[in-house]
Amino acid sequence: VQLVESGGAVVHPGGSLTLSCAASGFTFDDYPMYWVRQAPGKPLEWVSLISWDGESTSYAASVKGRFTISRDNSKNSLSLRMNSLRIEDTALYYCAKGGGFPGLLGSWGQGTLITVSS
Amino acid sequence: EVVVTQFPATLSLSPGERATLSCRASQRVSISYLAWYQQRPGQAPRLLIYGASSRATGIPDRFSGSGSGTDFTLTISRLEPEDFAVYYCQHFGRAPPYTFGQGTKLEI
Repeated sequence: VQLVESGGAVVHPGGSLTLSCAASGFTFDDYPMYWVRQAPGKPLEWVSLISWDGESTSYAASVKGRFTISRDNSKNSLSLRMNSLRIEDTALYYCAKGGGFPGLLGSWGQGTLITVSS
Repeated sequence: EVVVTQFPATLSLSPGERATLSCRASQRVSISYLAWYQQRPGQAPRLLIYGASSRATGIPDRFSGSGSGTDFTLTISRLEPEDFAVYYCQHFGRAPPYTFGQGTKLEI
C-alpha cells in the first residue's frame, strides 16, 4: 500500500487549496478513504470520509461547509478541496485507507503540510 | 460524540520494562470499536490494535489490547527502543466523528 499526498502550501486566511492523494498497491475502489490532520505539536484530528463509490461523505464539524472530499476511482486518486481557510487549519494532512471497519485507518500516507498565515 | 481521554500524558520507562497505557471513553463503546495507533517522531501514525485486542498486520505480539465498557488498555510487554513514541487511541464505528485521544508519549 502506498499513499502519497501532495498540494501542501502556504496560503493566506480566506484562501483555497486542493490536496491530492495518489494511491497504489491495493484495489482503490474497494475501500473508503479518509483525511486526518495534525496541527503542530497537537493530536490527530479526523477531518473527512468518503465511501468507496464516492456516494457518501462526512466531515468534522470544524471543516463542514468549507472542505469537500472527492475521489476518482479511475485514477486511484483522492482529493480534498479546502475553502475559506483559517489559521487553525494549519496542519499536516494525512490521507488514509480504510481498515475494514468504518473509521478504522489501516494505512497512512506521509502527509502534506498546509500553513495558513497572513 | 464519544470523547476519548488518554492517560498518562507522558510515561517514562526503560527498555525491557512493561508499559501500560490507558484510554477512557465518555460513554460505553463496543470493544470492537476501539483502536490504538503508534506515531514515531517524524513519521505517520500506524495502526497497532483494533477491535480493542486484534493486532494489525506485522505488529509484534508484545503489543496487546484489552478493556471493555469505557476503559481500555494498551500493554507493551517488554519495551524495545523503537517503541518509544506517541500512542493514540481512537473510537471508530458506524457513525463519525471518529475521535482520537490526546495521546500518550512513551519516553525513555
